[in-house]
Amino acid sequence: AQRVTQPEKLLSVFKGAPVELKCNYSYSGSPELFWYVQYSRQRLQLLLRHISRESIKGFTADLNKGETSFHLKKPFAQEEDSAMYYCALRDSSYKLIFGSGTRLLVRP
Amino acid sequence: DVKVTQSSRYLVKRTGEKVFLECVQDMDHENMFWYRQDPGLGLRLIYFSYDVKMKEKGDIPEGYSVSREKKERFSLILESASTNQTSMYLCASSQPTSHGFFGPGTRLTVL
Repeated sequence: AQRVTQPEKLLSVFKGAPVELKCNYSYSGSPELFWYVQYSRQRLQLLLRHISRESIKGFTADLNKGETSFHLKKPFAQEEDSAMYYCALRDSSYKLIFGSGTRLLVRP
Repeated sequence: DVKVTQSSRYLVKRTGEKVFLECVQDMDHENMFWYRQDPGLGLRLIYFSYDVKMKEKGDIPEGYSVSREKKERFSLILESASTNQTSMYLCASSQPTSHGFFGPGTRLTVL
């Protein structure tokens, strides 16, 4: 069965430090992967998707099929990056499956 | 600007009540979803609809049902609310090739 795993519930870093939010998936087919972000008191929104291969707000994520991972990275964290981050997978029936989320806290 | 709206931001109900949560999207999306969001558990899929009157169970459908009579509207029904259904409920819609667009959520408290 498809599954998305985010091993860290909380990641706390200082401003300017690098950030890596981990995401691993299990899926037998060719997945489509996303990162969503939820800022305080805002709705969940798309951050980036693997097929677009772009950098959004300084974040990047590379799909590694060999390691079945899609980790989210940013070289220099900012305080405004503090939020909940969810990794998600879309399967062949177009269902969106989410991980348990990682709370990123960027300290000044 | 794309929009997914949910009928209530906050809802308080009593155990045993029948509860309706409504979701409307204005993007002509084929797919609609209901999730519940709980701390430490992330978003868990309750039900998914890929067309009018078509639905598929997600990971946690027990205690819930859904209705999609029109393309733009997807309703989640709690037949007999229980305290363990206290949660944040999120609705989303998407096209097969697009990402999901989310509503603001309904925080349901069952007393």
